[in-house]
Amino acid sequence: AQSVTQLDSQVPVFEEAPVELRCNYSSSVSVYLFWYVQYPNQGLQLLLKYLSGSTLVKGINGFEAEFNKSQTSFHLRKPSVHISDTAEYFCAVGGTGFQKLVFGTGTRLLVSP
Amino acid sequence: DSGVTQTPKHLITATGQRVTLRCSPRSGDLSVYWYQQSLDQGLQFLIQYYNGEERAKGNILERFSAQQFPDLHSELNLSSLELGDSALYFCASSVADQETQYFGPGTRLLVL
Repeated sequence: AQSVTQLDSQVPVFEEAPVELRCNYSSSVSVYLFWYVQYPNQGLQLLLKYLSGSTLVKGINGFEAEFNKSQTSFHLRKPSVHISDTAEYFCAVGGTGFQKLVFGTGTRLLVSP
Repeated sequence: DSGVTQTPKHLITATGQRVTLRCSPRSGDLSVYWYQQSLDQGLQFLIQYYNGEERAKGNILERFSAQQFPDLHSELNLSSLELGDSALYFCASSVADQETQYFGPGTRLLVL
């Protein structure tokens, strides 16, 4: 079975500061890893994904994540956040062949001026 | 805009009623997934269809059912509704058995 742990339920940060949202996963098989963002009253938007290859993955809006197999982590980072980055961020794990996505509980990023 | 459409956006109904949520996948996507997002359960996978056939089931109640039609749109039917069914229901689609799922804007269901 697969599972995802997002260690922080809420991360407050000031505008232009760097941020890291943590995600750890558990799986007995090869995984694909995803970060989705949910803005208030909206659906889920794909930020980035790791399928294979380079462990550093770049996504939209200046976000990046690093896959660390030994630590079973896929932390999301941004060097300088904007007010508009305020949203809920979900880490998810999937697998090959019609695999459902298993989501973490989400991390609310609160960016203040 | 992911290309996945869901209707209606909002739905308010009473306990004991039945509703149908509709999803149209992205053009070319054969696989459709349904998820439920609630405050207490988070995002939970309900069911998946591929080219009209059920492929996987998650935490879907017996009162809920789904189907995928020949034109690949999907419907999620929720019956004998309870207060606890109030949630945001998402549909996602993917190309065949590829791994990346694209989500629709969701249907917010409120059961009073």
